[in-house]
Amino acid sequence: KQEVTQIPAALSVPEGENLVLNCSFTDSAIYNLQWFRQDPGKGLTSLLLIQSSQREQTSGRLNASLDKSSGRSTLYIAASQPGDSATYLCAVKVLTGGGNKLTFGTGTQLKVEL
Amino acid sequence: KAGVTQTPRYLIKTRGQQVTLSCSPISGHRSVSWYQQTPGQGLQFLFEYFSETQRNKGNFPGRFSGRQFSNSRSEMNVSTLELGDSALYLCASSRLDGGLSTEAFFGQGTRLTVV
Repeated sequence: KQEVTQIPAALSVPEGENLVLNCSFTDSAIYNLQWFRQDPGKGLTSLLLIQSSQREQTSGRLNASLDKSSGRSTLYIAASQPGDSATYLCAVKVLTGGGNKLTFGTGTQLKVEL
Repeated sequence: KAGVTQTPRYLIKTRGQQVTLSCSPISGHRSVSWYQQTPGQGLQFLFEYFSETQRNKGNFPGRFSGRQFSNSRSEMNVSTLELGDSALYLCASSRLDGGLSTEAFFGQGTRLTVV
Protein backbone atom coordinates (compact mmCIF):
# COMPACT_ATOMS: atom_id res chain seq x y z
CA LYS A 1 0.00 0.00 0.00
CA GLN A 2 1.39 3.37 -1.03
CA GLU A 3 2.06 5.75 1.84
CA VAL A 4 3.11 9.37 1.45
CA THR A 5 4.79 11.34 4.20
CA GLN A 6 5.54 15.06 4.34
CA ILE A 7 8.07 16.63 6.64
CA PRO A 8 7.89 19.02 8.37
CA ALA A 9 4.20 19.19 9.29
CA ALA A 10 4.49 22.91 9.89
CA LEU A 11 7.08 25.55 9.07
CA SER A 12 7.39 29.23 9.86
CA VAL A 13 9.97 31.35 8.05
CA PRO A 14 10.74 35.06 7.63
CA GLU A 15 9.96 36.69 4.31
CA GLY A 16 12.68 36.33 1.72
CA GLU A 17 14.01 33.01 2.94
CA ASN A 18 14.51 30.07 0.59
CA LEU A 19 12.93 26.87 1.82
CA VAL A 20 12.54 23.19 1.03
CA LEU A 21 9.53 20.99 1.64
CA ASN A 22 9.96 17.24 1.65
CA CYS A 23 7.78 14.41 0.43
CA SER A 24 8.54 10.71 0.61
CA PHE A 25 6.60 7.73 -0.71
CA THR A 26 6.95 4.02 -0.06
CA ASP A 27 6.30 2.49 -3.49
CA SER A 28 8.43 3.74 -6.37
CA ALA A 29 5.94 2.42 -8.98
CA ILE A 30 4.32 5.80 -9.52
CA TYR A 31 2.97 7.34 -12.72
CA ASN A 32 3.60 10.94 -11.70
CA LEU A 33 3.87 13.23 -8.69
CA GLN A 34 2.04 16.50 -8.23
CA TRP A 35 2.50 19.36 -5.77
CA PHE A 36 -0.52 21.40 -4.68
CA ARG A 37 -1.20 24.32 -2.40
CA GLN A 38 -4.36 24.69 -0.38
CA ASP A 39 -5.57 27.87 1.25
CA PRO A 40 -7.85 27.51 4.29
CA GLY A 41 -11.28 26.21 3.36
CA LYS A 42 -10.46 26.18 -0.32
CA GLY A 43 -9.74 23.61 -3.00
CA LEU A 44 -6.34 22.51 -4.24
CA THR A 45 -4.29 24.54 -6.68
CA SER A 46 -1.88 22.56 -8.83
CA LEU A 47 1.68 23.91 -8.63
CA LEU A 48 3.87 21.42 -10.45
CA LEU A 49 3.53 18.03 -12.08
CA ILE A 50 6.53 15.73 -12.49
CA GLN A 51 6.21 12.66 -14.68
CA SER A 52 7.87 9.50 -13.40
CA SER A 53 10.52 9.77 -16.13
CA GLN A 54 11.46 13.34 -15.17
CA ARG A 55 13.87 14.59 -12.53
CA GLU A 56 12.56 18.09 -11.96
CA GLN A 57 10.14 20.80 -12.97
CA THR A 58 10.28 24.55 -12.51
CA SER A 59 7.65 27.25 -12.43
CA GLY A 60 8.66 30.75 -11.41
CA ARG A 61 10.05 30.66 -7.88
CA LEU A 62 9.14 26.99 -7.49
CA ASN A 63 11.29 24.01 -8.31
CA ALA A 64 10.27 20.42 -7.68
CA SER A 65 12.58 17.43 -7.92
CA LEU A 66 11.83 13.73 -8.04
CA ASP A 67 14.06 10.78 -7.13
CA LYS A 68 11.83 7.82 -7.81
CA SER A 69 14.37 5.19 -6.78
CA SER A 70 14.68 6.63 -3.28
CA GLY A 71 10.99 7.54 -3.06
CA ARG A 72 11.56 11.26 -2.51
CA SER A 73 10.49 14.59 -3.88
CA THR A 74 11.32 18.10 -2.75
CA LEU A 75 9.63 21.41 -3.41
CA TYR A 76 11.99 24.36 -3.33
CA ILE A 77 10.49 27.83 -2.86
CA ALA A 78 12.83 30.72 -3.53
CA ALA A 79 12.54 34.14 -1.91
CA SER A 80 9.41 33.29 0.06
CA GLN A 81 6.60 35.86 0.38
CA PRO A 82 3.67 36.20 2.81
CA GLY A 83 1.36 35.19 -0.05
CA ASP A 84 3.07 31.79 -0.10
CA SER A 85 1.49 31.01 3.28
CA ALA A 86 -0.69 27.94 2.75
CA THR A 87 -0.68 24.18 3.17
CA TYR A 88 1.42 22.36 0.60
CA LEU A 89 0.46 18.85 -0.39
CA CYS A 90 2.25 16.31 -2.50
CA ALA A 91 0.41 13.48 -4.20
CA VAL A 92 1.57 10.48 -6.18
CA LYS A 93 -0.47 8.98 -8.94
CA VAL A 94 -0.53 5.19 -8.93
CA LEU A 95 -2.13 2.77 -11.32
CA THR A 96 -4.81 0.58 -9.77
CA GLY A 97 -6.82 -1.95 -11.67
CA GLY A 98 -8.33 -0.27 -14.69
CA GLY A 99 -7.79 3.25 -13.45
CA ASN A 100 -5.59 5.40 -11.29
CA LYS A 101 -5.77 7.57 -8.21
CA LEU A 102 -3.83 10.15 -6.24
CA THR A 103 -2.44 9.26 -2.83
CA PHE A 104 -1.80 12.37 -0.76
CA GLY A 105 0.60 13.26 1.98
CA THR A 106 -0.66 14.99 5.12
CA GLY A 107 0.77 18.31 4.04
CA THR A 108 3.15 20.97 5.28
CA GLN A 109 1.56 24.09 6.71
CA LEU A 110 3.76 27.03 5.75
CA LYS A 111 3.66 30.47 7.28
CA VAL A 112 5.81 33.24 5.85
CA GLU A 113 6.11 36.14 8.24
CA LEU A 114 6.82 39.78 7.46
CA LYS B 1 -10.97 28.59 -19.66
CA ALA B 2 -13.37 27.67 -16.87
CA GLY B 3 -12.05 25.53 -14.06
CA VAL B 4 -13.67 22.66 -12.22
CA THR B 5 -17.02 23.74 -10.80
CA GLN B 6 -18.54 22.13 -7.74
CA THR B 7 -22.01 22.82 -6.43
CA PRO B 8 -23.19 23.56 -3.89
CA ARG B 9 -20.31 25.11 -1.96
CA TYR B 10 -21.87 24.47 1.42
CA LEU B 11 -24.44 22.03 2.72
CA ILE B 12 -25.92 21.30 6.13
CA LYS B 13 -27.77 18.02 6.47
CA THR B 14 -29.27 15.98 9.29
CA ARG B 15 -28.15 12.47 10.18
CA GLY B 16 -30.01 9.87 8.16
CA GLN B 17 -30.63 12.15 5.20
CA GLN B 18 -29.01 11.76 1.83
CA VAL B 19 -27.11 14.30 -0.25
CA THR B 20 -26.04 14.76 -3.85
CA LEU B 21 -23.00 16.77 -4.86
CA SER B 22 -22.24 17.90 -8.38
CA CYS B 23 -19.02 18.42 -10.33
CA SER B 24 -18.52 19.91 -13.78
CA PRO B 25 -15.02 19.18 -15.11
CA ILE B 26 -12.86 21.37 -17.29
CA SER B 27 -14.06 21.32 -20.87
CA GLY B 28 -12.46 18.39 -22.71
CA HIS B 29 -11.54 16.52 -19.53
CA ARG B 30 -13.22 13.15 -19.37
CA SER B 31 -11.77 11.73 -16.16
CA VAL B 32 -13.40 12.83 -12.91
CA SER B 33 -12.30 11.76 -9.45
CA TRP B 34 -13.72 12.46 -6.01
CA TYR B 35 -11.87 12.89 -2.72
CA GLN B 36 -12.91 13.37 0.89
CA GLN B 37 -10.86 15.66 3.12
CA THR B 38 -11.15 15.58 6.91
CA PRO B 39 -8.79 16.91 9.61
CA GLY B 40 -8.22 13.41 10.96
CA GLN B 41 -7.80 11.38 7.76
CA GLY B 42 -6.53 13.96 5.31
CA LEU B 43 -7.40 13.52 1.64
CA GLN B 44 -8.81 10.12 0.75
CA PHE B 45 -9.79 8.80 -2.67
CA LEU B 46 -13.45 7.97 -3.19
CA PHE B 47 -13.82 7.00 -6.85
CA GLU B 48 -12.81 7.74 -10.44
CA TYR B 49 -15.05 7.92 -13.49
CA PHE B 50 -14.27 7.91 -17.17
CA SER B 51 -16.77 7.67 -20.03
CA GLU B 52 -19.64 7.16 -17.61
CA THR B 53 -17.89 4.14 -16.06
CA GLN B 54 -16.43 3.83 -12.59
CA ARG B 55 -12.85 2.73 -13.12
CA ASN B 56 -11.63 2.78 -9.57
CA LYS B 57 -13.09 2.89 -6.07
CA GLY B 58 -11.60 3.72 -2.71
CA ASN B 59 -12.25 2.08 0.61
CA PHE B 60 -15.56 3.68 1.52
CA PRO B 61 -18.88 2.05 2.44
CA GLY B 62 -21.59 1.48 -0.12
CA ARG B 63 -23.44 4.54 1.14
CA PHE B 64 -21.07 6.51 -1.06
CA SER B 65 -21.88 6.25 -4.74
CA GLY B 66 -21.39 8.26 -7.87
CA ARG B 67 -22.08 8.50 -11.53
CA GLN B 68 -20.91 10.32 -14.61
CA PHE B 69 -23.02 11.65 -17.43
CA SER B 70 -22.32 11.70 -21.15
CA ASN B 71 -21.13 15.34 -20.91
CA SER B 72 -18.53 14.21 -18.29
CA ARG B 73 -20.32 15.98 -15.43
CA SER B 74 -20.35 13.85 -12.33
CA GLU B 75 -22.42 13.53 -9.19
CA MET B 76 -21.71 11.77 -5.94
CA ASN B 77 -24.37 10.66 -3.51
CA VAL B 78 -24.12 9.85 0.16
CA SER B 79 -27.08 8.08 1.70
CA THR B 80 -27.99 7.67 5.37
CA LEU B 81 -25.64 10.42 6.44
CA GLU B 82 -23.54 10.01 9.58
CA LEU B 83 -21.81 12.68 11.65
CA GLY B 84 -18.48 11.31 10.43
CA ASP B 85 -19.38 12.18 6.84
CA SER B 86 -18.84 15.85 7.63
CA ALA B 87 -15.97 16.83 5.37
CA LEU B 88 -14.78 18.85 2.41
CA TYR B 89 -15.58 16.87 -0.75
CA LEU B 90 -13.29 17.67 -3.65
CA CYS B 91 -13.64 16.82 -7.30
CA ALA B 92 -10.73 16.63 -9.72
CA SER B 93 -10.73 16.48 -13.49
CA SER B 94 -8.03 15.30 -15.86
CA ARG B 95 -7.64 14.68 -19.53
CA LEU B 96 -6.31 11.31 -20.60
CA ASP B 97 -3.10 10.45 -22.32
CA GLY B 98 -2.90 6.85 -23.50
CA GLY B 99 -5.67 5.89 -21.10
CA LEU B 100 -3.94 7.42 -18.09
CA SER B 101 -5.05 10.69 -16.56
CA THR B 102 -2.53 13.48 -16.53
CA GLU B 103 -2.44 16.61 -14.37
CA ALA B 104 -5.33 16.81 -11.92
CA PHE B 105 -7.22 20.06 -11.46
CA PHE B 106 -9.43 20.46 -8.43
CA GLY B 107 -12.60 22.38 -7.76
CA GLN B 108 -13.23 24.54 -4.69
CA GLY B 109 -15.02 21.72 -2.95
CA THR B 110 -18.34 21.23 -1.21
CA ARG B 111 -18.28 21.63 2.55
CA LEU B 112 -20.76 19.14 4.00
CA THR B 113 -21.79 19.42 7.63
CA VAL B 114 -23.93 16.68 9.14
CA VAL B 115 -25.77 17.60 12.34
